[in-house]
Formats: sequence, C-alpha cells, structure tokens
Amino acid sequence: LAKTTQPISMDSYEGQEVNITCSHNNIATNDYITWYQQFPSQGPRFIIQGYKTKVTNEVASLFIPADRKSSTLSLPRVSLSDTAVYYCLPLAGNMLTFGGGTRLMVKP
Amino acid sequence: GAGVSQSPRYKVAKRGQDVALRCDPISGHVSLFWYQQALGQGPEFLTYFQNEAQLDKSGLPSDRFFAERPEGSVSTLKIQRTQQEDSAVYLCASSLRRSGGADEQFFGPGTRLTVL
Repeated sequence: LAKTTQPISMDSYEGQEVNITCSHNNIATNDYITWYQQFPSQGPRFIIQGYKTKVTNEVASLFIPADRKSSTLSLPRVSLSDTAVYYCLPLAGNMLTFGGGTRLMVKP
Repeated sequence: GAGVSQSPRYKVAKRGQDVALRCDPISGHVSLFWYQQALGQGPEFLTYFQNEAQLDKSGLPSDRFFAERPEGSVSTLKIQRTQQEDSAVYLCASSLRRSGGADEQFFGPGTRLTVL
C-alpha cells in the first residue's frame, strides 16, 4: 500500500485559499488519489478524487503532477465551517487506508 | 433513509461484556465496510462485505471481533469479552458498486464505544 505524508496541522483565516499537499512516493499505477474530510463526531466525507492532472468540483480542486508522487487539495475561500481533518488516500479497489490526516483550523 | 445510520451512537460497556453495533447502509449499496477509529487517529479498516459475503476480514484485531451481514443489507459488528483497548469509534461505510475501482464510500456517524 502507498504510504502518504501530509502536514499534521495547518492554520488559515476566513476567505483565504488553502492548499494541502500530500506526498505518496510509491503510488501504484492503478491507484486513484482520494481526499476525505472529517468533522468532529462525524464519519469521513468524500471530497474529491482524481488520477492525474486537475480535477475540480463545487467544493475543491485537486492538482496531481505528471509523476503522481504528490497531490494538492485546494480549498478556495475557506470559511469557519471548513475546520476539519483532511485525509489523503491513494485508493485501489475498496479498502481505504487512512493516515493521520491534516487538521485544518480556520480562524475568523 | 438518506444516509448510513448506526446504532447505538454511544455505548458504555464493562470489561468482559459482549456488545453488538448495528449499521444500516444506504439502500441498494452492494459494499459495506467497518472501520475502527481511535482518538486522534485516522480510521482503520476492519472488514468488508459484498452483499452478504464477507470478502475481507484482515483488519479484525482478534477473534473476539465478528461481523455479519446475513441478508446483504443491515450489518452487525459484535465484540465479545470487551477490553479497554476496544474503546474507539466504530464507523460503518457503504458504497454502491462491487469491488474494483475507486468507488466513493459513504460513512455513518459512528458508534462511540467506551469500555470501563
């Protein structure tokens, strides 16, 4: 399984763009890169997924360079409600392997 | 229902008791997963069902842990002779399709188990 490394925590302010980078040096050819968000006392929630280049949805953008050894989750104009833990997971098949995630704190 | 539901939301057990945790997946979802999340950690995979078949139980920490999904919908995670180290949040997730491919998993709110 690909091992991921991401910052333990990040601070930001309302209205700023937040970029969280995850490294996954030994990602497999058929792994997708998936990001989940988890609020306190809730289960994780899918945010975005991609294989290469750039993916954008209504919540976030995901940038994946050509070598796929890292990925960057971009959250535009964060609000206080974006305070959560964000997990990067290379995914093949079904099993999700969560690391420690990045604890994002958005301040007013 | 609109999402995955789990019951009870909170469970306190005395060491040595047996507990049963229930998961109601999204209707029609083929795959069902159980995860264990210790305080301050990411969720860890326990077991996976495709319909009623348990295809992977490699994450179950001991033979005290048992999961079933007899009719391919509701699932129960049972822990026998609970120990303090079993205290954690137990998360259930379901996804629409069979194994293979990167399918989105929908998580329930979890059951917080505290073993005294």
